[in-house]
This record gives sequence, C-alpha cells and structure tokens, in this order.
Amino acid sequence: GQSLEQPSEVTAVEGAIVQINCTYQTSGFYGLSWYQQHDGGAPTFLSYNGLDGLEETGRFSSFLSRSDSYGYLLLQELQMKDSASYFCAVRDHSNYQLIWGAGTKLIIKP
Amino acid sequence: DTGVSQDPRHKITKRGQNVTFRCDPISEHNRLYWYRQTLGQGPEFLTYFQNEAQLEKSRLLSDRFSAERPKGSFSTLEIQRTEQGDSAMYLCASSSGSVTSGGGGYNEQFFGPGTRLTVL
Repeated sequence: GQSLEQPSEVTAVEGAIVQINCTYQTSGFYGLSWYQQHDGGAPTFLSYNGLDGLEETGRFSSFLSRSDSYGYLLLQELQMKDSASYFCAVRDHSNYQLIWGAGTKLIIKP
Repeated sequence: DTGVSQDPRHKITKRGQNVTFRCDPISEHNRLYWYRQTLGQGPEFLTYFQNEAQLEKSRLLSDRFSAERPKGSFSTLEIQRTEQGDSAMYLCASSSGSVTSGGGGYNEQFFGPGTRLTVL
C-alpha cells in the first residue's frame, strides 16, 4: 500500500530553524510535495522535489532522498505566521491522485 | 479574484438529505480534484477530472457520491442520502497541465476555501 509518516507536532521558537521529516512508502514515485495549511484555511503549495537534493524557496527549503524514501521541509527564521500544519504528499506513477500525510502541526513560541 | 472558489462555504443538513457543492477552478486550469478532509487529517482524494472527463475516482468513495464537470469548467459534487460520517470539509483544487521543475502538473494544486458539511 501507500503511506506517509510525519510527526504529528513540532514546537520551535520564533527566529529558530525547524525541520519536518516525511517518510513514504509507495508502489511508484513521482515527486514529493509540501503544503501549508493554517487553521480554518485551505492547503497552499510550498514546494516540490522530483529529483534528489535540496530545493530552496526563500525561508523554506525542501529535501528529497529517493533511495531512502525520505524528505524534509526546512523552515528558517521562523515567524509567528508560520504556525500552521504542514503536509507532505506524493504521487506515484499508477494514478493521478496525491497521497497525503496526516500533517505536522508546527507550534511557534515567542 | 482569480483563485478557486467554492459554494456554499457552509452547509448544515439532516441525515438522509441530498447536498450539492459547486467548485469554480482557476479558469486556465484543465485539471480539477475533489478532496475530503476531517480534523487532524490530510486531505483524502475523492475524484479527478481532466477537462470534462472524470479519469479517476477513489475506490473508497461510496456510490452515494457523484461528481460532474459538464463543460470542463465548474464542477459539482453531490452526496445523496447523507450520513453523519459524511461531515467533513470538502475541498476542491485545480492545477494546470504544465509540469515544471518547481512543481506544476499534478503536484502543484491550488485549493479553494472548502465547503464545511455538517450532517445532523
């Protein structure tokens, strides 16, 4: 089957750096995506890794290792507005759907 | 505003009633997705359209659920004979057919605000 594992909750301090890990198990693989969702809001696309390595977009970076079936989202210079849930999602070759993790709730303390 | 819109934003219904939700995707997007999300969980895929063709439907989806995208633009999701277990946020998303190194295609989806369904 297909599954994704990510921590349910992470706590960090404003201004710090935090890493949210995601491990996946799929029958095929066609990229790892990350989304942010604030309470009561809709998911918003953050980044995508189709190949191994690091993708950087401003304060956010995402990493993928296909051999380890592992990726992470790195958030730097944390701001209070980064308090949200973060989801990793994968698509395999066999269908059109994204398979989503259960999400990591990021709590930021001043 | 050229984002994805959904209507209604909230729906309260009694068990056994039928409900219909509408989604208007970003106009140039030919791909449209419906998801269901419950508290503390990630979105659960329901169905996918490419233009007007429904190309994929979740095997977990009850036959009480049906979706259409008649002209390849807006889409509707209907739930017949609602049950309390149908209470959830129903999300619609759209994406373009262009794949880029930064995402695009199936991976970069743009979500609407959702319709929160409560079945009493």
